[in-house]
Amino acid sequence: GAVVSQHPSRVICKSGTSVKIECRSLDFQATTMFWYRQFPKQSLMLMATSNEGSKATYEQGVEKDKFLINHASLTLSTLTVTSAHPEDSSFYICSAPTGGADTQYFGPGTRLTVL
Amino acid sequence: GQQVMQIPQYQHVQEGEDFTTYCNSSTTLSNIQWYKQRPGGHPVFLIQLVKSGEVKKQKRLTFQFGEAKKNSSLHITATQTTDVGTYFCAGGGADGLTFGKGTHLIIQP
Repeated sequence: GAVVSQHPSRVICKSGTSVKIECRSLDFQATTMFWYRQFPKQSLMLMATSNEGSKATYEQGVEKDKFLINHASLTLSTLTVTSAHPEDSSFYICSAPTGGADTQYFGPGTRLTVL
Repeated sequence: GQQVMQIPQYQHVQEGEDFTTYCNSSTTLSNIQWYKQRPGGHPVFLIQLVKSGEVKKQKRLTFQFGEAKKNSSLHITATQTTDVGTYFCAGGGADGLTFGKGTHLIIQP
């Protein structure tokens, strides 16, 4: 079946640095990918929709200059957390639809810890 | 690592019939979450279960968390066309949140 990978799985960084998270569809092409964020013991919250060849669509309250999204190809979307701060520490998950957009495949997630 | 299996992958029902999707984890979960994705949309959070044996209801939807906190189910009574979509479970554990592959609910009028 379709697989979505994320890299890295865990990252620890210092406050003020930028962190890039990659989301790849391994055996299918995805013109759209979704980025989510999960705070501890809370549900998944959609941050933005990544669109190949055009700008990402951000959900209300998500700073687009803070969370840079680049959908470089049909198999790769990246989320860059710029000037990270401890409050950005979270679990970030991407997903990609396939099979007529009704099947959603989730990546394994990236745990970001900002010191 | 943690694995979450969800069955069935597809379920066709006549409108008015009941529907159930099951989720099983390879490891004990700290919590289980359920999401619904409408066709063409993105997964939307429905509910979170935390306690062993917990049962929660939302109108026609009943969610259960197993005593061993390794399995869960979502049951919809008397399905309606608005219930169409994909239902995902997601298990919370030491590795973070692991999603099942989802159950596609198809309703025939």
